Amino acid sequence: GQQLNQSPQSMFIQEGEDVSMNCTSSSIFNTWLWYKQDPGEGPVLLIALYKAGELTSNGRLTAQFGITRKDSFLNISASIPSDVGIYFCAGQLDGNKLVFGAGTILRVKS
Amino acid sequence: SAVISQKPSRDICQRGTSLTIQCQVDSQVTMMFWYRQQPGQSLTLIATANQGSEATYESGFVIDKFPISRPNLTFSTLTVSNMSPEDSSIYLCSAARGGGSGYTFGSGTRLTVV
Repeated sequence: GQQLNQSPQSMFIQEGEDVSMNCTSSSIFNTWLWYKQDPGEGPVLLIALYKAGELTSNGRLTAQFGITRKDSFLNISASIPSDVGIYFCAGQLDGNKLVFGAGTILRVKS
Repeated sequence: SAVISQKPSRDICQRGTSLTIQCQVDSQVTMMFWYRQQPGQSLTLIATANQGSEATYESGFVIDKFPISRPNLTFSTLTVSNMSPEDSSIYLCSAARGGGSGYTFGSGTRLTVV
């Protein structure tokens, strides 16, 4: 089945630093989504990307839909303690199903 | 985006019993899905809940183990049947309106089977 390779698996960063994570796949996706999950909660949608090459921002977050439709990255600028959590990429297939990456655990040193 | 209420939020169950999880959406949605998230892992799609017809299950998941109902456009249930400790996991409901809109998730049901 389709797989998303998400990296890095985890990262410690200093507060104020910028963060970058990405997902790649051998499959083409129609839509890329980025979610954040806090402990004990369900994933919350951060950014949705619908067109190849699209670059979208949401506050300190910026994400891009790769031109080949097989990859996406998420950048967080000027990280703060509340950015701690698990970030998941997800690709939408035909039939509206989502495939999720393994997640990136973000830990911030304050 | 849709708001999803999922209950129970957590439960501890005896092996061999069944648990039904409810998912209520605050507005009509085209699509509803059920996911499983094992401890420290990513989300795996169990099935698509189809309104008025049988759910569509992913490979590795079967109706006898995970029966799903979706009687209308705002409500769905997932039953975890004949539970074993291997079923201990977080079960998440998701909904989308379609047309490229993002998917919303409930807060999940944390199930522990003892």
